[in-house]
Amino acid sequence: EDQVTQSPEALRLQEGESSSLNCSYTVSGLRGLFWYRQDPGKGPEFLFTLYSAGEEKEKERLKATLTKKESFLHITAPKPEDSATYLCAVQPTTSGTYKYIFGTGTRLKVLA
Amino acid sequence: DGGITQSPKYLFRKEGQNVTLSCEQNLNHDAMYWYRQDPGQGLRLIYYSQIVNDFQKGDIAEGYSVSREKKESFPLTVTSAQKNPTAFYLCASSSAGGAYEQYFGPGTRLTVT
Repeated sequence: EDQVTQSPEALRLQEGESSSLNCSYTVSGLRGLFWYRQDPGKGPEFLFTLYSAGEEKEKERLKATLTKKESFLHITAPKPEDSATYLCAVQPTTSGTYKYIFGTGTRLKVLA
Repeated sequence: DGGITQSPKYLFRKEGQNVTLSCEQNLNHDAMYWYRQDPGQGLRLIYYSQIVNDFQKGDIAEGYSVSREKKESFPLTVTSAQKNPTAFYLCASSSAGGAYEQYFGPGTRLTVT
């Protein structure tokens, strides 16, 4: 069964304390992996798409990487405004292109 | 500015009443989706549409209905048959036919008492 697992469920960091969020996936084939940021009470905001193992994408303090079994979202020197829930989603090749499987997210809190 | 709008932001209804949630996009996307988000669960797909006048059931379609009469619009009706309608509802859109990112609206929080 296609599955996405994110860890940890919650993470508290001090401002400037770098860390990584994990997204492990089990799919027969990967069409794409997506990272989103979601603030409380709002819709997810698109961050990155990764397509193949070894690929990396960066945006400000965020860097997403992909292997054949997992993806990491690295946060370098985070600031309080980076506090949010980060969602990972995969689009498997074994389903139609409408199918996106979402993880339950990692709630990140960055303390000043 | 291009984007997706959902209205209303908050909606309160009594049990037994049908309610319609609005979703409009001006991104010129062919595909549109409705998800439900509950605490501790990933987004679950209710319905999707990849072209005007066509839509398909997702994983949890029971008690919901949709229409897609215009490319820009994909309203969701929560019927009285939905057992647990209280939730945060998200509309999304994307280009169709490939590994494209989805763009989400701000969401509608529905409370049924």
